[in-house]
Amino acid sequence: AQSVTQLGSHVSVSEGALVLLRCNYSSSVPPYLFWYVQYPNQGLQLLLKYTSAATLVKGINGFEAEFKKSETSFHLTKPSAHMSDAAEYFCAVSGGRLTGGGNKLTFGTGTQLKVEL
Amino acid sequence: DAGVTQSPTHLIKTRGQQVTLRCSPKSGHDTVSWYQQALGQGPQFIFQYYEEEERQRGNFPDRFSGHQFPNYSSELNVNALLLGDSALYLCASSFRDSYYEQYFGPGTRLTVT
Repeated sequence: AQSVTQLGSHVSVSEGALVLLRCNYSSSVPPYLFWYVQYPNQGLQLLLKYTSAATLVKGINGFEAEFKKSETSFHLTKPSAHMSDAAEYFCAVSGGRLTGGGNKLTFGTGTQLKVEL
Repeated sequence: DAGVTQSPTHLIKTRGQQVTLRCSPKSGHDTVSWYQQALGQGPQFIFQYYEEEERQRGNFPDRFSGHQFPNYSSELNVNALLLGDSALYLCASSFRDSYYEQYFGPGTRLTVT
């Protein structure tokens, strides 16, 4: 079974400050990891994905994440927050091809990012 | 290029009724997955359809059923609605069972009264 834990249900940063959203995973097989963003009353948009290639993954809107196997982490960062980054962010894991079980996503409980002036 | 579309946008039903939600996948995609997102929670996997068959199922009761049509579109049916079924229902599509990414629709907000 796979799972992800997002530490901090609410994170508040000042505009221009570093954004750090934490995600730890648990998986019995090499995982595929994803970060999605959800704006109010909308669906999920993929920010970036890790699929066992480069450990530092760059995504859209200036976000990036680093896969650290030793720490079982996949934290999301952005050097400088913008007001438009205010949204809910979800970390998700799937088992990848080794599980033979399709691409079902298991999501964390989400982190609400607030950006203040 | 049309993305994933879902209908209706909002729906209000009474406890005990039945509901059908619809999803059209992104152009070129043939696999559809359904997720339930309760308020303040992350999405929970309901099931996945590929080649008109249910390929994977999450921990949801048999009241939740689905169908995939030859054009790859899909329906989610929920019978005997409970108050706890109130949620945002998200459809996601992918190519085959691509492990790399799923594209999500805007969702259908279901309210059960």
